[in-house]
Amino acid sequence: GAGVSQSPSNKVTEKGKDVELRCDPISGHTALYWYRQSLGQGLEFLIYFQGNSAPDKSGLPSDRFSAERTGGSVSTLTIQRTQQEDSAVYLCASSFEGGLKQYFGPGTRLTVL
Amino acid sequence: RKEVEQDPGPFNVPEGATVAFNCTYSNSASQSFFWYRQDCRKEPKLLMSVYSSGNEDGRFTAQLNRASQYISLLIRDSKLSDSATYLCVVNKGTGGSYIPTFGRGTSLIVHP
Repeated sequence: GAGVSQSPSNKVTEKGKDVELRCDPISGHTALYWYRQSLGQGLEFLIYFQGNSAPDKSGLPSDRFSAERTGGSVSTLTIQRTQQEDSAVYLCASSFEGGLKQYFGPGTRLTVL
Repeated sequence: RKEVEQDPGPFNVPEGATVAFNCTYSNSASQSFFWYRQDCRKEPKLLMSVYSSGNEDGRFTAQLNRASQYISLLIRDSKLSDSATYLCVVNKGTGGSYIPTFGRGTSLIVHP
């Protein structure tokens, strides 16, 4: 079956612009996670959605970052007023339930000039 | 102390060797554990879950030691294709929220 998909695969933007990144999880997966990974670094947890519960936003680095998940499926991560330090690969993952094995999308490589 | 720590390596081993990685975690309330592998410029892919009793999948064996708060991954008969970064993941559950913490990964290079 279809895995997790993300779009765009690459995004180049100018400092100060807003960007939206999209994630389509595996159908039927109730949990969805966003991470970012800078070059040579580990995965940094950003936000976690579980079903209809309020998301856990404890990993968001600043109020410029927000995410939503519509209809318990597709999620968008929005970064407002992008900064150069936001440059990274943004990865989305889904799992059948929280705490179970996760399946990752291919990521969106964001470059802020 | 970091929540999840791994020796970054690299571990440089010949084909056929046996290699082991450890991963320590600080939160005793951690509830589920996994090993992922990540190839260069690719997304992480699940390698195996880690169960309390230990588990094996072909050449790979994972173990959990709750008392000492570490998990391990053993790879036997290493193949060139095993070259990758191995990430351990620890999930802590709080009020129904499962927040995963990834280690920074251990790099493995298998050479001919």
